[in-house]
Amino acid sequence: SFDLAQPPSVSVSPGQAASITCSGDRLGHKYISWYQQRPGQPPVLVIYQDDKRPSGIPERFSGSNSGNTATLTISGAQALDEADYYCHAWDSTTGHVFGSGTSVTLL
Amino acid sequence: EVQLVQSGAEVKKPGESLKISCQASGYTFTNDWIGWVRQMPGKGLEYLGIIFPGGSETRYSPSFRGLVTISVDKSTSSTYLQWRSLKASDTAIYYCARHECSGIDCFFKYWGQGTLVTVSA
Repeated sequence: SFDLAQPPSVSVSPGQAASITCSGDRLGHKYISWYQQRPGQPPVLVIYQDDKRPSGIPERFSGSNSGNTATLTISGAQALDEADYYCHAWDSTTGHVFGSGTSVTLL
Repeated sequence: EVQLVQSGAEVKKPGESLKISCQASGYTFTNDWIGWVRQMPGKGLEYLGIIFPGGSETRYSPSFRGLVTISVDKSTSSTYLQWRSLKASDTAIYYCARHECSGIDCFFKYWGQGTLVTVSA
């Protein structure tokens, strides 16, 4: 079993970059995906396999993973990016593990 | 187009049983695992378990094993999440989602719209 820790909240000015971190022991040895969840909506996959974007996800979403920290970066944040973001990892023994979630707010 | 359509909201009393559903379409149902995820009010996402419709193999999160039952009906391309005796703490939105893998990375790409379960005396 493993835990994925995220900051509870991140604030960003419109047009600026927001970085959301996800920390865990030897996280760089796992693949991380990221989900965006707007209020009242199901989660949407925005990044998988650390840095790949599913079709339809804007290029301003990017991901990286190294050491004990994975990062989701939103470049040029827009109002519609206000949402909760969850990191996620899969392990064949543990199953799906979600991070604690980060609320992104535009200033 | 892949779609997962879940059954409607439920209001139950503690001790009652419940079975909610998730009907899949737009792909070969028996080829991919489907999972269930819980979201308690104002809280994060929690993984309950997954099932392989092709063979009914089921894997549960240790946190939820014995508390819920996941099943499947291939004839209707439906997956089910079931409780024998609900508690107030089961109040949550429950999502089904299709488990997909890219190499050794697995994730939930397609999600149902969620089913709100409210358990209150």
